[in-house]
Amino acid sequence: QKEVEQNSGPLSVPEGAIASLNCTYSDRGSQSFFWYRQYSGKSPELIMFIYSNGDKEDGRFTAQLNKASQYVSLLIRDSQPSDSATYLCAVPPFGAGSYQLTFGKGTKLSVIP
Amino acid sequence: NAGVMQNPRHLVRRRGQEARLRCSPMKGHSHVYWYRQLPEEGLKFMVYLQKENIIDESGMPKERFSAEFPKEGPSILRIQQVVRGDSAAYFCASSPGRTVNQETQYFGPGTRLLVL
Repeated sequence: QKEVEQNSGPLSVPEGAIASLNCTYSDRGSQSFFWYRQYSGKSPELIMFIYSNGDKEDGRFTAQLNKASQYVSLLIRDSQPSDSATYLCAVPPFGAGSYQLTFGKGTKLSVIP
Repeated sequence: NAGVMQNPRHLVRRRGQEARLRCSPMKGHSHVYWYRQLPEEGLKFMVYLQKENIIDESGMPKERFSAEFPKEGPSILRIQQVVRGDSAAYFCASSPGRTVNQETQYFGPGTRLLVL
């Protein structure tokens, strides 16, 4: 059973601070990793994906991947109240066949003005 | 550039009725995925389809649920004889392919099903 674990939160940070969201996964062979943002009552929206060990930056967002530790994180710099949402980590299984995503339960982020 | 489209956005059914949920993938995408999100729960994979083929239905209940993606028209998720436990948000996602760099899934707005 492939698992993706996230702290459910809520994680509260003041406006302008760095929010750090963490995710661990059980499938050692996983090759790609996705972060989605989901506002209450809305659909998941892709934030970033990462394939290689290390950091990947896109605007205020940085994804960090450590395959040896089976750990992926998302940093949000200069957090804004509009970043308040649930952040979902998603991992497809390793190997050919199916690319369904296994989602963590999500971390609820609250950015306090 | 239309994204993934789903309809209806909200659907109310009485117990025992049938629910039909439709999904049109993004232009150029040939892979469709259905996920279910129960209240206060995470997203759970149900079924993965390509045109005229079900690739993986391992997440779909064996009874009452079926899915198709015909050669023409949208993908359809069908729930027969709905029960209250089927009340959830059903999301469709699509991707252009399934190799690395082609597998990124984009989600539609979802269909909120309420069973009375």
